[in-house]
Amino acid sequence: NAGVTQTPKFRVLKTGQSMTLLCAQDMNHEYMYWYRQDPGMGLRLIHYSVGEGTTAKGEVPDGYNVSRLKKQNFLLGLESAAPSQTSVYFCASKPGQGYEQYFGPGTRLTVT
Amino acid sequence: GDSVTQMEGPVTLSEEAFLTINCTYTATGYPSLFWYVQYPGEGLQLLLKATKADDKGSNKGFEATYRKETTSFHLEKGSVQVSDSAVYFCALRETTNTGNQFYFGTGTSLTVIP
Repeated sequence: NAGVTQTPKFRVLKTGQSMTLLCAQDMNHEYMYWYRQDPGMGLRLIHYSVGEGTTAKGEVPDGYNVSRLKKQNFLLGLESAAPSQTSVYFCASKPGQGYEQYFGPGTRLTVT
Repeated sequence: GDSVTQMEGPVTLSEEAFLTINCTYTATGYPSLFWYVQYPGEGLQLLLKATKADDKGSNKGFEATYRKETTSFHLEKGSVQVSDSAVYFCALRETTNTGNQFYFGTGTSLTVIP
């Protein structure tokens, strides 16, 4: 099993550009999460999903959109990137009844 | 709202020293508590968990006890090794009507020197 994978690993965007980050998991987990990690602020939840076709807002959802069209994939979109969105983005998944989140390796995004 | 406050770092210890990283939480319900570890360039990995008051989570020599009366979940290890150098995150899980949400502390960087 690959676990949780994230694509791409690194990306540089100019202000105003758009992009989509892909998270994929092969563990048949119900829950999936997108976090951003910033220095001195730990991980903050952007959006999450409790199952295929569902999404919900987390702590810092503004400027991001998500979709969960397939159970194994959770996409994070930035429609118009801003320098404040420079961060490391982590995806995680979790079984419906379990406690442990399984994290991907992260995507480092820089917006200039 | 729910939140987690953990000891700021960085923490530098000599090998075989005793480690404590403090974590306190604020929650409206009865959360589960976790410690995650992040090694350089990697995602977070679950280190240990406790799901109710007075539970003790333990793994790889690390321990933490869920103290409801002090709303704390301090991480301890009796004798650290160089390989324990990493960033440690305290987290809580709250169950809401829209599912499980997790709240993380800011992380504490630990460096163990030989």
